[in-house]
Amino acid sequence: DADVTQTPRNRITKTGKRIMLECSQTKGHDRMYWYRQDPGLGLRLIYYSFDVKDINKGEISDGYSVSRQAQAKFSLSLESAIPNQTALYFCATSRSGGDFNEQFFGPGTRLTVL
Amino acid sequence: AQSVSQHNHHVILSEAASLELGCNYSYGGTVNLFWYVQYPGQHLQLLLKYFSGDPLVKGIKGFEAEFIKSKFSFNLRKPSVQWSDTAEYFCAVKRYGGSQGNLIFGKGTKLSVKP
Repeated sequence: DADVTQTPRNRITKTGKRIMLECSQTKGHDRMYWYRQDPGLGLRLIYYSFDVKDINKGEISDGYSVSRQAQAKFSLSLESAIPNQTALYFCATSRSGGDFNEQFFGPGTRLTVL
Repeated sequence: AQSVSQHNHHVILSEAASLELGCNYSYGGTVNLFWYVQYPGQHLQLLLKYFSGDPLVKGIKGFEAEFIKSKFSFNLRKPSVQWSDTAEYFCAVKRYGGSQGNLIFGKGTKLSVKP
């Protein structure tokens, strides 16, 4: 099945460490997104990319960076992790244009920063 | 600022009860509307979506939602809930113009269904 995969699924790290979360998709979608989910806050957009050369900040991009290595790969980095970045991180993809606005989500990465 | 409001943080129902979860948005232009569901420990899955046409939209698992443009609302309904509907439900809005393709999510409503 075409899918959105995320690695790792769980990660515990210490304050100040650099962390990379990876997302891959086999859906052939051109758009990719990174969200974080916190209890009671829903999903908030960190970064999004409409194609390989297009990267945009979302609602809460401070402390994060991204890399779109290929159409199918979109990585999220925390350069120096801090405890309030402890959250569930989701990658999503969508096709551009028309009715194809539905976003498909990966399984999530649970990140704990001690 | 544009926002999506879900009125209930946590709803507790018994099996067979009827469900209505509220969702209101603040954007006045053309929108696409979505309800996603997140079962415990799982990722978000699309329940239903509205783009245009009939404002009553039917989704999977017996869910439906009604778009009322004058009220900026897109409430989710199910006539008779099951224990397996226990999950968190998120309303999301995509607006035309600006950052096309981006969704704005509500904060979610947890539904607990007692067997």
